[in-house]
Amino acid sequence: GAVVSQHPSWVICKSGTSVKIECRSLDFQATTMFWYRQFPKQSLMLMATSNEGSKATYEQGVEKDKFLINHASLTLSTLTVTSAHPEDSSFYICSAPRWDSSQETQYFGPGTRLLVL
Amino acid sequence: SQQGEEDPQALSIQEGENATMNCSYKTSINNLQWYRQNSGRGLVHLILIRSNEREKHSGRLRVTLDTSKKSSSLLITASRAADTASYFCAHDRGSTLGRLYFGRGTQLTVWP
Repeated sequence: GAVVSQHPSWVICKSGTSVKIECRSLDFQATTMFWYRQFPKQSLMLMATSNEGSKATYEQGVEKDKFLINHASLTLSTLTVTSAHPEDSSFYICSAPRWDSSQETQYFGPGTRLLVL
Repeated sequence: SQQGEEDPQALSIQEGENATMNCSYKTSINNLQWYRQNSGRGLVHLILIRSNEREKHSGRLRVTLDTSKKSSSLLITASRAADTASYFCAHDRGSTLGRLYFGRGTQLTVWP
């Protein structure tokens, strides 16, 4: 079964509004989670590292004031797209690492599709 | 750009044939992973190969890694229509912090 969940699975919003996306690790704790963005027919691009108890670390070129990340607990990270515009329309995917059989595996959420009108 | 190179970008084969996808990267790595993504869905982890490994098998999957050439390949043997998906390689750029950097991906179509 799924080990990482995301909510909502899809969202449509008007330009200028803010949208919050949740990422939860199920049955395990994750002090670190990761947020990716994927445009149609393209690959995943790492946006930022969400750190429980401290500030997120953003990849080069990702606006931290645009994409607010809060790692509220050991099982929840949220990504808020502030003042969303049509170019922010994308598929947002989170991941969380879990140790399985002495190996750290990244488990990805099912993704959230955002459409900004 | 975060993305490594992956080829081919698209591959179309018949059921029963083998599919080979290649991936190249530019930095040092601790490990390299392959993922599968069905259209518009989340990612499924397929296999991880460490930098000190050269080949790894899992069921019908065979992954090779050549760190001198900074390249990896994924072979799917005896393909099935259900294997139709996008396949991505991802590497960690030598970091242990869990960040992954994905290749451009290969869209595999397997015809029944």
